Amino acid sequence: QQPVQSPQAVILREGEDAVINCSSSKALYSVHWYRQKHGEAPVFLMILLKGGEQKGHEKISASFNEKKQQSSLYLTASQLSYSGTYFCGTYKAAGNKLTFGGGTRVLVKP
Amino acid sequence: DTEVTQTPKHLVMGMTNKKSLKCEQHMGHRAMYWYKQKAKKPPELMFVYSYEKLSINESVPSRFSPECPNSSLLNLHLHALQPEDSALYLCASSQPLEVAFFGQGTRLTVV
Repeated sequence: QQPVQSPQAVILREGEDAVINCSSSKALYSVHWYRQKHGEAPVFLMILLKGGEQKGHEKISASFNEKKQQSSLYLTASQLSYSGTYFCGTYKAAGNKLTFGGGTRVLVKP
Repeated sequence: DTEVTQTPKHLVMGMTNKKSLKCEQHMGHRAMYWYKQKAKKPPELMFVYSYEKLSINESVPSRFSPECPNSSLLNLHLHALQPEDSALYLCASSQPLEVAFFGQGTRLTVV
């Protein structure tokens, strides 16, 4: 079962902040975040392995709440280059099954 | 080297054609994946190979046939496709349960 992302779309002005959520009904081994720009392949941003762990990439950070089976991605002081579609991915250990949430389209305007 | 190479980048094929998509990685990854992606949708898992053995087949129609000749190569053989199979086909690789690296994809059009 694929994870659920919210919101589906976000429009920001440069410098504004946003939060993208990813939740699962099943116990999570890890949560991965990817960004895909139009016409390109998804690019890995970060991985969360432990409950409560936060990792960062530029001004993008994320947290993982193991109890709630939820991860959040924080876009801080957004830049034009942050535009794209963000996907969270989760593994089912059996068979290395990596599936993605529905995606959140982010548009950062000047 | 974190590169996954896919060929061709674009492919147009008729419904009676047979073609193959190729994927190569030299990162020593033991898991390789095929995904299908339609416009404005997430990548949809098709197949997973773990240690060169098919571990996941997401009920994909038999007109798609995967092959993993060795630990660096992954093929997807296409036969008698339908127009609705037109999509971006993405290959990815990873160590088991770790970060997946994607190729640039093959944009497939079935006419």
